[in-house]
Amino acid sequence: DQQVKQNSPSLSVQEGRISILNCDYTNSMFDYFLWYKKYPAEGPTFLISISSIKDKNEDGRFTVFLNKSAKHLSLHIVPSQPGDSAVYFCAANAEIQGAQKLVFGQGTRLTINP
Amino acid sequence: GAVVSQHPSRVICKSGTSVKIECRSLDFQATTMFWYRQFPKQSLMLMATSNEGSKATYEQGVEKDKFLINHASLTLSTLTVTSAHPEDSSFYICSARRPPRGYTFGSGTRLTVV
Repeated sequence: DQQVKQNSPSLSVQEGRISILNCDYTNSMFDYFLWYKKYPAEGPTFLISISSIKDKNEDGRFTVFLNKSAKHLSLHIVPSQPGDSAVYFCAANAEIQGAQKLVFGQGTRLTINP
Repeated sequence: GAVVSQHPSRVICKSGTSVKIECRSLDFQATTMFWYRQFPKQSLMLMATSNEGSKATYEQGVEKDKFLINHASLTLSTLTVTSAHPEDSSFYICSARRPPRGYTFGSGTRLTVV
């Protein structure tokens, strides 16, 4: 049962344009969402997060949008840079059986073309 | 701040031996740490939640006797893969929870069992 889904395994964007990465979730208990960037053989690096009580959070080139009714969030990167090429994971936090847990999506490989 | 150190980064071991992976929070106390496993081109799958001073909580399908977790102090959690087999070869990642909402990840350990 995949509670957090990233349906696009890969995305290719021209340098300078906007990258939009999407994420859907099924569990309405998720109260906090995070985006991570990951390179091969490294741990995930935190990018940006959003609480379920908000619909937008912005940090520099990164903006995360949350649509609770649709159980959908997206990460916008603008302008996209070659260094943004990596795998991006969407993660959702919930308290399950008294413990905080983070559930990850499958990841989207973003490639920024010069 | 909020650095998690994971060691070793790579390990090759013979089938049937045991391997210990360490996860340390360097500049904060982590009462809760998490262990993930990532197969190639797949998501991070939560294996277990490590709680300081108490038994770890394992996810469904994860063998407790195979993957021993110890969280003896507020800054150290260890994962021991016992009697390793080639199918245990994977990328293991730890993370530490920073209340109220943060998670910091280690750099991961590539385990290869030959």
